[in-house]
Amino acid sequence: KAGVTQTPRYLIKTRGQQVTLSCSPISGHRSVSWYQQTPGQGLQFLFEYFSETQRNKGNFPGRFSGRQFSNSRSEMNVSTLELGDSALYLCASSLVGDYSYNEQFFGPGTRLTVL
Amino acid sequence: AQTVTQSQPEMSVQEAETVTLSCTYDTSESDYYLFWYKQPPSRQMILVIRQEAYKQQNATENRFSVNFQKAAKSFSLKISDSQLGDAAMYFCAYRDNFNKFYFGSGTKLNVKP
Repeated sequence: KAGVTQTPRYLIKTRGQQVTLSCSPISGHRSVSWYQQTPGQGLQFLFEYFSETQRNKGNFPGRFSGRQFSNSRSEMNVSTLELGDSALYLCASSLVGDYSYNEQFFGPGTRLTVL
Repeated sequence: AQTVTQSQPEMSVQEAETVTLSCTYDTSESDYYLFWYKQPPSRQMILVIRQEAYKQQNATENRFSVNFQKAAKSFSLKISDSQLGDAAMYFCAYRDNFNKFYFGSGTKLNVKP
C-alpha cells in the first residue's frame, strides 16, 4: 500500500505570494493532519480534516487554511507569505477519525522557502 | 493547553549501549495516548512506540521500551543495544481525546561507532 505523498517536495516563493500544498493520504485513511516543522519551534499542529470537515485547528493566523476532498486528499494554502513561513510542512494521515487509538503516518514533507 | 517537553536537545550514545530520552507532559485529562516518533535525517517520520494512558504496563517494541509514569506525567524512551541506524531526531507526542497531537521539540540522538 502506498504511503502518504506530498507535492511538491520543494517550493521557493517570495514574500506576499500565495502557495498551495497537496497531500494524498494512505488509501482508506480519512483523517489528515498538517504540521509546520521549524528548527526553533519543532512540530506545530496546523489543522486536522476528517470527512471533508475541519475538526481541529492549531494556533495559526487565518492566512493558513486547508480543505479536504471527497477522496480524502487534502490541500493546505498559505496566503500573503512571510519570511517566517519558511518551514517543512508535514502531512499525516490516520485510518479512523474517532477517539480511539489512532496512529498517524507521515509524508515526506514539503520544504517551503520564502525569500 | 497540553504541552510536551523534551529537555534534552541532543544526546550521544555509544553503539551497543543503552540510552534514555526524557519526555514530560502537562495535561488535566485522564485518558490519552503517548507516542515516540523517529525522524531520520532527510527521511520520513515513523512511529517507534505508543502507550495508552489507561494501561499501567510499559510498552515494549524490540529494543525500544518506555517508562510511563502517569502520576509524574513522564514518558521516557529507552533504546537498548543502540545501532547506527538509531541516529535520528526523536519526538515525543501526546494525543488528546479529540485526536489533536502535541509534539515536543525533539531530541537529536547521535550514535557513535
